[in-house]
Amino acid sequence: GAGVSQSPSNKVTEKGKDVELRCDPISGHTALYWYRQRLGQGLEFLIYFQGNSAPDKSGLPSDRFSAERTGESVSTLTIQRTQQEDSAVYLCASSFTGGTGTEAFFGQGTRLTVV
Amino acid sequence: GENVEQHPSTLSVQEGDSAVIKCTYSDSASNYFPWYKQELGKRPQLIIDIRSNVGEKKDQRIAVTLNKTAKHFSLHITETQPEDSAVYFCAASGPTGNQFYFGTGTSLTVIP
Repeated sequence: GAGVSQSPSNKVTEKGKDVELRCDPISGHTALYWYRQRLGQGLEFLIYFQGNSAPDKSGLPSDRFSAERTGESVSTLTIQRTQQEDSAVYLCASSFTGGTGTEAFFGQGTRLTVV
Repeated sequence: GENVEQHPSTLSVQEGDSAVIKCTYSDSASNYFPWYKQELGKRPQLIIDIRSNVGEKKDQRIAVTLNKTAKHFSLHITETQPEDSAVYFCAASGPTGNQFYFGTGTSLTVIP
């Protein structure tokens, strides 16, 4: 596809369950970002992958959150033992590393609801 | 890391008037400053960006200015229209040039 794709688009889960969110970046984009957006709030940085470098995990809110990326392709964000405060839209973005800053393209997000 | 502050958090203007949103950043090494528009229920999309080697950029009704000395940049929308109503986010690229630090967003409402 031409854009960043995320799946699922919506996810309802019970408190305490684990969830896995998927992001397919634009082909050729070496940088990939995960953000969390609570209702009516801004974009909260979670994690950043750049090529084969060690990811920047400084935004992960707790050890229940983890993310992986295989090479420069798909990334998965995993939330273990979900809590109600995890309910939010999780946005993935990718960009082509140009060295001087390049546009980040966002996916449509995964709306996670923990009940 | 970079710290981006954005003001105001909400802004209402009459159709046809101008709107200005301001952001400040902390890291003088940041070199790329994009602005994103997010309509209700949709993904953020880039509307304009500016690099640190220029002071102003304009695209039709939208313009962005950058003051590197003061470390602030602004979005200007002229002749506002109802379809400009959305949440606008500023961002700074950070010292590496590729990490993005977002402001907290401005909810703009254009009143017909």
